[in-house]
Amino acid sequence: DTGVSQDPRHKITKRGQNVTFRCDPISEHNRLYWYRQTLGQGPEFLTYFQNEAQLEKSRLLSDRFSAERPKGSFSTLEIQRTEQGDSAMYLCASSLMEGSGSPLHFGNGTRLTVT
Amino acid sequence: GDSVTQMEGPVTLSEEAFLTINCTYTATGYPSLFWYVQYPGEGLQLLLKATKADDKGSNKGFEATYRKETTSFHLEKGSVQVSDSAVYFCALSRPGAQKLVFGQGTRLTINP
Repeated sequence: DTGVSQDPRHKITKRGQNVTFRCDPISEHNRLYWYRQTLGQGPEFLTYFQNEAQLEKSRLLSDRFSAERPKGSFSTLEIQRTEQGDSAMYLCASSLMEGSGSPLHFGNGTRLTVT
Repeated sequence: GDSVTQMEGPVTLSEEAFLTINCTYTATGYPSLFWYVQYPGEGLQLLLKATKADDKGSNKGFEATYRKETTSFHLEKGSVQVSDSAVYFCALSRPGAQKLVFGQGTRLTINP
């Protein structure tokens, strides 16, 4: 169990640029989640996948955000035309499909700074 | 909608003190309740959980009891250590829903 891996750890970009983050979940986990965390707040749910299917998206996920999990393994989160308000820590988590009590295993996150 | 409210931090205690971090929730039905912890420089990790009323979750000397009547899941530890310094998040998930709803987090600092 190597844990959930996220890349990059930090990303600084200029407003208007596109950015893409990658998440590699724990290998046997079929559920994958993206959360966003701003300073002093708890993580906020963005979207989740069961295998390759994206089953739920938060209203926080504007049209500029898109997430994929093409083969049910790793996932990417892309933000187009970044805005300063997108600056946050983007967290990925994975879990086994065991019902709502399944614990989530989080990665260390990608910290995005939009200048 | 569902929500979780935690006591505001930061909380600063001396080693061996008793710890309580309050957590209350609003949700329909019978959610599962969780405490996650984030140590400095590390990702969030599950500390304990309870999936039904009156269940007690425990781990590493921490405990929390699922109180349906008061919609609470307070975190307690009898004697804290410097190594317990971290940010603690209370969270819930509703039956049939996969996402976690988190509180805002409570930063705990333990002084030797």
